[in-house]
Amino acid sequence: QQQVKQSPQSLIVQKGGISIINCAYENTAFDYFPWYQQFPGKGPALLIAIRPDVSEKKEGRFTISFNKSAKQFSLHIMDSQPGDSATYFCAASRTNAGGTSYGKLTFGQGTILTVHP
Amino acid sequence: NAGVMQNPRHLVRRRGQEARLRCSPMKGHSHVYWYRQLPEEGLKFMVYLQKENIIDESGMPKERFSAEFPKEGPSILRIQQVVRGDSAAYFCASSPSRGARGEYNEQFFGPGTRLTVL
Repeated sequence: QQQVKQSPQSLIVQKGGISIINCAYENTAFDYFPWYQQFPGKGPALLIAIRPDVSEKKEGRFTISFNKSAKQFSLHIMDSQPGDSATYFCAASRTNAGGTSYGKLTFGQGTILTVHP
Repeated sequence: NAGVMQNPRHLVRRRGQEARLRCSPMKGHSHVYWYRQLPEEGLKFMVYLQKENIIDESGMPKERFSAEFPKEGPSILRIQQVVRGDSAAYFCASSPSRGARGEYNEQFFGPGTRLTVL
C-alpha cells in the first residue's frame, strides 16, 4: 500500500521535445505529490509538487498532471534541454496533521532522462 | 541561508566498524528525515526526527542502526558493525515546523553521504 511505481526507467529525448514520466500510487491517503530532480553526486531538489484538489499544475516548462480516480500522476517537461538530463523521482506523502507518519516521502524508482542536443 | 549540510560527503569503513553520519538542517528547521539510496534505486525512508524526539522510525533496520537529533547540534545517523550491504548514499532532508494551520512544508535535501564498506 506504500508503493509508488514509476516509468519508464530511462528516457531519451531530442532537444526541444517533450519528456513524459509517469507514476502510479496505491495508498489513497497520500495527499502530496512532489517531483524531484537529481544530478549525479547531488541530493534531490524539488522541482514541482501537486495536491489532489487540482488536476494540473504548471511551472515554467514543467507540468504535473494528476488523475485522482486512476491514482496516477505524470511530469511533462516541455522544450526539453540538455541541461534537463538528470534522474527524476516522483514521490508521495501523507501530510494531514493527524497521525505520526505524516511527512515521510515514498519515492518511485527513478527515471534517467537524457536529452540529446 | 545555508542549505542542509551533511558530513562527511564520503566515508569509507571496513566491515565491523562504526559509521557516523551528520546532518545539520537548514536554519529554523526543526524536522529531519533520513533516507537511504542504494545504487540504481530510489530513496527509501528511514527515520523522521524532531528535536530530542524520534517521531517515526518505521524504515530503520531493527539492528545496528540508530538516529538522534539532540537539542543542540546536528542529527546523527549511526550504523554499528557495518556490512557491505550498508554501502549506499544516505540523504538527510529538513523542513520547518508546520504552518499555523497545520499545513505541510516541503523537505529540502542535503548533498548526501556516500558510505562505502570494504
